[in-house]
Amino acid sequence: GENVEQHPSTLSVQEGDSAVIKCTYSDSASNYFPWYKQELGKGPQLIIDIRSNVGEKKDQRIAVTLNKTAKHFSLHITETQPEDSAVYFCAASYQKVTFGTGTKLQVIP
Amino acid sequence: DTEVTQTPKHLVMGMTNKKSLKCEQHMGHRAMYWYKQKAKKPPELMFVYSYEKLSINESVPSRFSPECPNSSLLNLHLHALQPEDSALYLCASSQFLSGRAENTGELFFGEGSRLTVL
Repeated sequence: GENVEQHPSTLSVQEGDSAVIKCTYSDSASNYFPWYKQELGKGPQLIIDIRSNVGEKKDQRIAVTLNKTAKHFSLHITETQPEDSAVYFCAASYQKVTFGTGTKLQVIP
Repeated sequence: DTEVTQTPKHLVMGMTNKKSLKCEQHMGHRAMYWYKQKAKKPPELMFVYSYEKLSINESVPSRFSPECPNSSLLNLHLHALQPEDSALYLCASSQFLSGRAENTGELFFGEGSRLTVL
């Protein structure tokens, strides 16, 4: 089955700096790569996603890149704000979604 | 606000009790999911329903019994649970089951039911 690795497990940045989270996946059949943000006491919420026929996608301060050949994808958050503090999960999907292990992001004011 | 509603938010039960978790969505989604999430871990898939039929069972113990009465509702019946089953149980829905060409892929999660088994 699919295996998704995610790094780092924790990340602390100063407010205004950028944050980068990286993931690798194993199953070449995966064709959809979402990123979820989970705040304390809440369910995960989709923040951005990318499909296998696209190399990069941007939405305001958030961007995701995908390298299908190398089977890795990354999340970039620019101009971080305290409200970006949360746990972020990458995922790879074909028929079912496999989550990465999560990154706890702390943005220090 | 989430469009997937889960009840109850918190549940404490003994190992001999029978209880149920409920999930409701009104987005017209045809795929619904149960996930289990332990502290500091990613969600783990338990069951998937597609068009009200069980599509995926990730080898979940029979003390967990899912039910999909209609396209908007998803239940998880609990019986004879163990303390290690204590976790956050998340319900999610998507337009269709992932993998189909027309699927948007996005999972919409509820806020979860936090279960404690004594």
